[in-house]
Order: sequence, then structure tokens, then C-alpha cells
Amino acid sequence: EVQLLESGGGLVQPGGSLRLSCAASGFTFSNHAMSWVRQAPGRGLEWVSGVGGGGVSTYYPDAVRGRFTISRDNSKNTLYLQMDSLRAEDTAVYYCARCIGMSATGIDFWGQGTLVTVSS
Amino acid sequence: QSVLTQPPSASGTPGQRVTISCSGSSSNIGSNTVNWYQQFPGTAPKLLIYTDNQRPSGVPDRFSGSKSGTSASLAISGLQSEDETDYYCATWDDSLNGLVFGGGTKLTVL
Repeated sequence: EVQLLESGGGLVQPGGSLRLSCAASGFTFSNHAMSWVRQAPGRGLEWVSGVGGGGVSTYYPDAVRGRFTISRDNSKNTLYLQMDSLRAEDTAVYYCARCIGMSATGIDFWGQGTLVTVSS
Repeated sequence: QSVLTQPPSASGTPGQRVTISCSGSSSNIGSNTVNWYQQFPGTAPKLLIYTDNQRPSGVPDRFSGSKSGTSASLAISGLQSEDETDYYCATWDDSLNGLVFGGGTKLTVL
């Protein structure tokens, strides 16, 4: 059974940092690109980063480029999202997501999410 | 404002067929496959349709997807009360070099 378990969310002050983790199981982790997608309260889905199966290729939208860093450790079947210079508008539920195959062009499975609140 | 445009709401009566549209451009829907997701309040999204028109195992055949040019559609036939929730389309955008989502459509079963 495919499982994605996020952790690391919480309350952080504006300008602060947070690192999210996602423990994957039930599939060959290195065979899939992975992504992070967030959803602000009452809003739609917003993709915030993607990483190829080997961990070399990374992708970001302009909204987070330079502040967020996605990485993975295939030996630990774990995905990470380092979030720096956090802003109030980064407040959201952050979902870890498995991509369809090795490219980050589509998602086929989602974790349950972890809430990040940026507030003073 | 989302790169992909979906109607914010849609509705139908039980047993009816409803469609939800997703409009994009040549850099996204026009050159990449479209996926659709179903999301109930407080839960994670679930893949409903992938590669334009394929259903994952376990998804009822009442759900179908199609694509033409720079637009895609999700159709739900034999509408049921449990279909009342939010639906999102998504695809890759070659110009933005990233995944893009529609703004979501809230389906109401009257």
C-alpha cells in the first residue's frame, strides 16, 4: 500500500524557517519524481516544487523560487522541503505528492498533509 | 488567478450528467496530458482521471475525461449525492516549467 506521511509543520514567525519531511513507503521511491503542493485555507491547490527521481532536477514556481528548496534522500525514502523567509501568504496545508513516473509532470498519489502557519 | 480556468461551481440533479470544463493554452493543455482530482473537505485530493481520459482502478466508470485542443473536460454521468465536492484539473506548463492547477469547481447535487 502506497503511503506518504508528512511531518514538520507548525507555527512559525514571518521571516522564519521550517523543514517539512515526507516518509514514503509501499513503492520504489527512486522510480518516481515527487512534488509538494499546498492549499491555503479555503483556497485551491498550488504546486510549490518538484524533484526528479534521481534528485538532480528540481522545479519551482516564481512564488517560492529562492526561498524553498526541495530535496530527497532515496536511501531513506524521504522527501524534504526546506522553507526559508516565510511569509504570511505561505500559510497552508502542505501535501507531499508522488508523481506519475520519473517526470514531475503529473501527480497520482497524495499524502494527508501538514499544516504550516506563518504568524507573529 | 489560476493558469487553468475552471468554472467555480457546477450543479446537477441525481442521475443527471454534468461536465466541468478546464481551459488552458498551447503551453499547457495544448501540449501535455491533463489529470483530474476529486477533493472532499478536510482530506487530500484523489486522482480521478489521468492522461486525459484514463481512470485509475477503483474509480467508477461514471467518471470520464476528454481533451480537445487547449481545453479539457470532466464528465460525471448518473450523478450521485456523494459526488458533491470539489474537482481540480492539472497539467504541466512548458513555458512556466511547472505543474499548474485549475482554480477548482465545487459540484453541488441538487
